[in-house]
Parts: sequence; C-alpha cells; structure tokens
Amino acid sequence: NAGVTQTPKFQVLKTGQSMTLQCAQDMNHNSMYWYRQDPGMGLRLIYYSASEGTTDKGEVPNGYNVSRLNKREFSLRLESAAPSQTSVYFCASSEVRVHEQYFGPGTRLTVT
Amino acid sequence: DQQVKQNSPSLSVQEGRISILNCDYTNSMFDYFLWYKKYPAEGPTFLISISSIKDKNEDGRFTVFLNKSAKHLSLHIVPSQPGDSAVYFCAASDSWGKFQFGAGTQVVVTP
Repeated sequence: NAGVTQTPKFQVLKTGQSMTLQCAQDMNHNSMYWYRQDPGMGLRLIYYSASEGTTDKGEVPNGYNVSRLNKREFSLRLESAAPSQTSVYFCASSEVRVHEQYFGPGTRLTVT
Repeated sequence: DQQVKQNSPSLSVQEGRISILNCDYTNSMFDYFLWYKKYPAEGPTFLISISSIKDKNEDGRFTVFLNKSAKHLSLHIVPSQPGDSAVYFCAASDSWGKFQFGAGTQVVVTP
C-alpha cells in the first residue's frame, strides 16, 4: 500500500517546454487534487476531481490542464512552462465525506 | 482571495510547554476544518480535524478548538516535543470537498 505516489520528484524545464506530472493513489479514493506550494503562500489548489470523470478549477488553474485518467490516476499538464510556475507540486486524494486528504511526496519543478 | 488565514508565520516554544496555533476564516460555507503537519521535503500529513457541529476535538497531545461565531480555530499541542518542529497548515473544506489552506506556521520547539 504505497498511498499517493508522484513522478517525477524533480524536474527542470526551459520556458516554453511542456511536461506532465503524474499522480496515482491506491486507496480507492474518489477525490483527487493538485496543489502548488510557494513560500509564504501555503498550498493553493490548482485543479481537483471530485470523482472519476469530473474535474474542476481551483484557485490558480491558469497555465495548467488536468486529466482524471481513471479512479487511480490524476495527471497535471503544463503546456508551455513559465518561470512563474516554478514551485513544489503536491497531489492529494480523499474520500469526499471523510475530508481527510492524503498527500504525495511532491514534485519540485524549476522553470528557467 | 485568501479565505483561510494564519497570521503568525512562526512560533518558538520551549519543550514541555504548550504550543497554540491560530487560524481565521472568512467563508461561512466551510463546514470542516483540519490541521496538517509538514516536514521539509515531504508532503503534508493529516493531524486532526473538527466538524462545524463541534467546538472541540482531542487526539492525544493535540486539541483543536472551533469558535464559529468568531470564525476562528486553534490548535493546542501539550506538551510540545522536539519532533513537533514543523510547518502547520490550517485547512477548511466546504460540503463539496473543496479545500483551502492557510499559509502555514513554522513551529520550532527548543530544548
């Protein structure tokens, strides 16, 4: 039982490059989330998926797209990376009614 | 629009004493509140939660208090231990399961 896994752990991109961050959970949770963490800003919600087949925007969705591939997997795509997207990205999952979220270890992304 | 605020970015406390972390929110639709703990280079881990129908919840050394009229919650850690040194995030959720987090409070427990 690995919980929430994220790949890659680290990534360096040049401005304008694209990439996909992968997230998978093995807890049979319905809801999945993508957050970014920046100094002094806490965790900000980018996108979430309340259940398989649905996705919704969070606080800071611009520049990102998501795909809920199946119940286990939720990916985050940067189509054209910008330096402002330099951040640590966390994926999380939860059973909606329980509310408690389980987080992955994070992906540290640097855009130069 | 930051609807969950932790106004103290840092807190230093002596080992064995009480740590009190505060959190304020503005959205009356929030009905569930949580505290997470985060160590460097790791994801946040769930610590304790409270529903809006309660005003207190305890789990070992950790107690969360909720004052709905003031839109304020606090986390008490008694007694504080060196392993409690971490960043603590307050979070609030509405009935759709959409979360919003505060900016975090760095707690340092000194010997």
